[in-house]
Amino acid sequence: QVQLVESGGGVVQPGTSLRLSCTASGFPFTLYDMHWVRQAPGKGLEWVAVIWYDISNKYYADSVKGRFAISRDNSKNTMYLQMNSLRAEDTAVYYCARDRVSKGRGHDPFDIWGQGTMVTVSS
Amino acid sequence: EIVMTQSPATLSVSPGKRATLSCRASQNISSNLAWYQQKPGQAPRLLIYGASTRATGISARFSGSGSGTEFTVTISSLQSEDLAVYYCQQYNDWPMYTFGQGTKLEIK
Repeated sequence: QVQLVESGGGVVQPGTSLRLSCTASGFPFTLYDMHWVRQAPGKGLEWVAVIWYDISNKYYADSVKGRFAISRDNSKNTMYLQMNSLRAEDTAVYYCARDRVSKGRGHDPFDIWGQGTMVTVSS
Repeated sequence: EIVMTQSPATLSVSPGKRATLSCRASQNISSNLAWYQQKPGQAPRLLIYGASTRATGISARFSGSGSGTEFTVTISSLQSEDLAVYYCQQYNDWPMYTFGQGTKLEIK
């Protein structure tokens, strides 16, 4: 069964850090670009970051550039999002998602999504 | 950044009727447009990609059309299970993927 499972969310204070994980199963993780997408409470979807299947490239939304870092460990079928200098506006459900096409290197939508993990930034 | 604008914000349709949702891009995105369905409390699900191709396992009641800057998704013979928020997404200007603000589909 193709599946993505996020973990690591929680309640943190502004200015602190948190690391999210996304563990994949049921497909060849090493062949797919992977994304983080977030959704603030009651709001729409916002793409956050992407890491290519071979870790050759990483890209970020302007809203998180310089504060968040995406990474992956292909030996563990796991992707990460290190979030530093967290702000109240980072409060959201964070989803990991897979590119629809293997080795896509962009120009593809997201066909598999995890159930999401909630991050709350509040003092 | 390419801005995606969806209309209407909310659509109320009776069961068995047709629902048409629209999405406009602020610049030409060719056919690099996807539609997602998000039911309450769930993750988004890919419905349509390439503006008109149904994703795996998606009912033929869902159809997409358009290219350039104007796109629509049509749900024929609406069912109660179609209650959801629908988002469009452009992936032409990658990696700056952008989503529309969503259309909430209500069942009358």
